[in-house]
Amino acid sequence: KQEVTQIPAALSVPEGENLVLNCSFTDSAIYNLQWFRQDPGKGLTSLLLIQSSQREQTSGRLNASLDKSSGRSTLYIAASQPGDSATYLCAVPTSGSARQLTFGSGTQLTVLP
Amino acid sequence: DVKVTQSSRYLVKRTGEKVFLECVQDMDHENMFWYRQDPGLGLRLIYFSYDVKMKEKGDIPEGYSVSREKKERFSLILESASTNQTSMYLCASSPARAQRNTIYFGEGSWLTVV
Repeated sequence: KQEVTQIPAALSVPEGENLVLNCSFTDSAIYNLQWFRQDPGKGLTSLLLIQSSQREQTSGRLNASLDKSSGRSTLYIAASQPGDSATYLCAVPTSGSARQLTFGSGTQLTVLP
Repeated sequence: DVKVTQSSRYLVKRTGEKVFLECVQDMDHENMFWYRQDPGLGLRLIYFSYDVKMKEKGDIPEGYSVSREKKERFSLILESASTNQTSMYLCASSPARAQRNTIYFGEGSWLTVV
């Protein structure tokens, strides 16, 4: 059964700092991995989708990496800003399913001005 | 701009009431999902549907049912609301070929059962 873990659960950093969020998953037979952002009281917004054949995906100040063999992904945020404050979740396909996703519990990020 | 719309953002219902949560997507997606999100438990899948009139149970279907009469609309039904169903409910949709496409979420519906 696929399980997704995100560490740390919460992170507080000063503005301008570069930071890394971690995601690990137990079943490496995945075809992609996604990172999402969730603002308080809102739905999830997709940030990056990495296919299993890729090792990295970049969007602006965000860079996500994927190491399938070790069951890990990282989300790197460069030059963090207060507007980056949100909860970041990763998700991978549920074991044995082509349609369902298994989500981590997220990392709550606070960027202090 | 793609959109998943949840008709009710905030609801307060009494124990035992029948509750309908409606979700509409405008992207002609085949797959639609209902999740609930609780602190410390993350997102848990209640039901999903991959076609009109088709439905499959997720991880926590007890106490819920769903309806998909039209491709764009997926309804979550609480037959007899209970206080432990107080939660945030998220609807989502994705295209059939989900392997290469992302999933889109609505803004969420906060349900309080008193």
